[in-house]
Amino acid sequence: AQSVTQPDIHITVSEGASLELRCNYSYGATPYLFWYVQSPGQGLQLLLKYFSGDTLVQGIKGFEAEFKRSQSSFNLRKPSVHWSDAAEYFCAVGVGNKLVFGAGTILRVKS
Amino acid sequence: DVKVTQSSRYLVKRTGEKVFLECVQDMDHENMFWYRQDPGLGLRLIYFSYDVKMKEKGDIPEGYSVSREKKERFSLILESASTNQTSMYLCASSLDRGRETQYFGPGTRLLVL
Repeated sequence: AQSVTQPDIHITVSEGASLELRCNYSYGATPYLFWYVQSPGQGLQLLLKYFSGDTLVQGIKGFEAEFKRSQSSFNLRKPSVHWSDAAEYFCAVGVGNKLVFGAGTILRVKS
Repeated sequence: DVKVTQSSRYLVKRTGEKVFLECVQDMDHENMFWYRQDPGLGLRLIYFSYDVKMKEKGDIPEGYSVSREKKERFSLILESASTNQTSMYLCASSLDRGRETQYFGPGTRLLVL
């Protein structure tokens, strides 16, 4: 069955430090991959998505993600984290007419 | 910008009550979705609809039903609320299935006592 694994439940980084959030998926065909962010008390907002082509995808708020087929991964990165990036981040794979989400990673930013 | 609104941000109901959660989107999207969000479990799909009066079960439909009488409105119904349905409920819409971005509402936090 299709699944998405986000191995880190919580991550804490210092403001200005780099960030990488991990995402592994299980899906037989070419995946459609998404990263969403959820700020406290809010709905989900799309950060970026991958359908095909260039495996390095740029998103909003300075985020990028790299699709690695050989590792079944779609890790999210940001070179310098801001305090406003504290939120929960969800990776998802598009399966037919549905999205399958990972459990999420909560990012804490310390000053 | 796409706007998805949900009728309530917070809701408190008693066990056995019938509960209606309403969702409205303003971008003429074909598809609408209801998810349930629980800590450590991410988002799980309850039901989705790809057209007016059309619906399909998601991964956890038990205890829920849905209604889509108009394109812009998608309702989630808890026929007889139970305490294990205490959760955050998120509605989303998209132009097409699968590869298109889903746009989310702010969520309804439901407490069943």
